[in-house]
Amino acid sequence: DQQVKQNSPSLSVQEGRISILNCDYTNSMFDYFLWYKKYPAEGPTFLISISSIKDKNEDGRFTVFLNKSAKHLSLHIVPSQPGDSAVYFCAATDSSYKLIFGSGTRLLVRP
Amino acid sequence: DTAVSQTPKYLVTQMGNDKSIKCEQNLGHDTMYWYKQDSKKFLKIMFSYNNKELIINETVPNRFSPKSPDKAHLNLHINSLELGDSAVYFCASRDRGNTEAFFGQGTRLTVV
Repeated sequence: DQQVKQNSPSLSVQEGRISILNCDYTNSMFDYFLWYKKYPAEGPTFLISISSIKDKNEDGRFTVFLNKSAKHLSLHIVPSQPGDSAVYFCAATDSSYKLIFGSGTRLLVRP
Repeated sequence: DTAVSQTPKYLVTQMGNDKSIKCEQNLGHDTMYWYKQDSKKFLKIMFSYNNKELIINETVPNRFSPKSPDKAHLNLHINSLELGDSAVYFCASRDRGNTEAFFGQGTRLTVV
């Protein structure tokens, strides 16, 4: 029973274009959402987060959008760079601070 | 100056053996976690400790025993290793009041 789903296992975009990674969740008790980036043989690295009281959070080239009614969030990377090629994990949590992760989306940014 | 460090990075061992993975964080965080990434790449929480006290135990077999000697360390001991225990194990820590957790580089455990 996956509470956090990333339905696209992979995504390929051209350098300079926008990358959009999607995530859906089922648990309405989740009140905080995070995106992590993971390179091979390394641990996940925190990228950006959003509270359920907001619908958008921006940090440089990275923007996260939250649509609570649809239980959907997305990560936009613009412009995409080859160094952004990695696996991106969506995670959600509630007051327990237990992070529930999606299965990840592998992003490839082509030069 | 590694924030969350795990040792060893790779561990190959035979079925039935007992092994330990160590984790240390120098961030001053009071909450630490163990996560398991299985063959399907899902990252699932196993345990969480807050100031050396167990606060989350996610139905993990009791062959897995976490131990926190102090709030900067959370070690994972596994008894009677099975083939299905092969996975990458990640340690993480979090500061009180913050939601984001910081992860170690992972320990790839292979049971043969």
